[in-house]
Amino acid sequence: DAGITQSPRHKVTETGTPVTLRCHQTENHRYMYWYRQDPGHGLRLIHYSYGVKDTDKGEVSDGYSVSRSKTEDFLLTLESATSSQTSVYFCAISDFGGSTTDTQYFGPGTRLTVL
Amino acid sequence: QKEVEQDPGPLSVPEGAIVSLNCTYSNSAFQYFMWYRQYSRKGPELLMYTYSSGNKEDGRFTAQVDKSSKYISLFIRDSQPSDSATYLCAMSAKTSGSRLTFGEGTQLTVNP
Repeated sequence: DAGITQSPRHKVTETGTPVTLRCHQTENHRYMYWYRQDPGHGLRLIHYSYGVKDTDKGEVSDGYSVSRSKTEDFLLTLESATSSQTSVYFCAISDFGGSTTDTQYFGPGTRLTVL
Repeated sequence: QKEVEQDPGPLSVPEGAIVSLNCTYSNSAFQYFMWYRQYSRKGPELLMYTYSSGNKEDGRFTAQVDKSSKYISLFIRDSQPSDSATYLCAMSAKTSGSRLTFGEGTQLTVNP
C-alpha cells in the first residue's frame, strides 16, 4: 500500500460522538486525500491537502473536517458522527515532482460503523 | 447525472475469457484516464494510466480511450481467477493535484 497506513482499521461508534481517523505516509508525498466509498456511489472525495496546513474541500465535505500539521499525517474528524457517515474511508497520496501523471496511491481503508 | 458512469455489474466470466469493462463520461475537460483494481477489503491499486485518446497495452491488459465518444475501456485477455476484483475507472482534467473523478466500479468474477 505504498507506505500508507490508516488507523484505526475498524471502528464502531455511536451517533453524536466525535471520531478521528488517521492517515500516515512514509513517502514524503505532498498531496493527501480522504475518500469515502459507498455502494452505488463509488469513491467520493471528502477533503484533500496540498501541503502542511493547506487543505481544501471535496465533493462531500459536510460534517467532516481535516488537519495536516506534518507532511506525513492527515487527520479526518467527524465532529458529531451520524449514521449516514457509516462507510469505508480511504486515504490516498500523490506526488508530482515534474511527472505528468496524476497517480494516487491508496491506503488499506478504515471501516467505520455509526450506530 | 454523474460525471462518470460505469456499469456496476456484477460480471461473471469463465477463465480464459476476454473481459471488456467500460466507462462513459460527460466532462470534455478530462484528459487523464486511469483504471484501478480493488480486491475485496483492500484499497484500490493503479492498474493502467493513459493520457488523451488511444490505446495502451500492458501484458494481458489494454486500456482504450475514445475522447470523441467520451468512452473508455479496459480489456483483459486470457482472464484468470486472480483477476476477480472490482475495477474502477477514474479520470482528471489536469495534473498537479487535480481531483480524480471515479466511476462506481464493476465487480468482476472469473470462474475456474
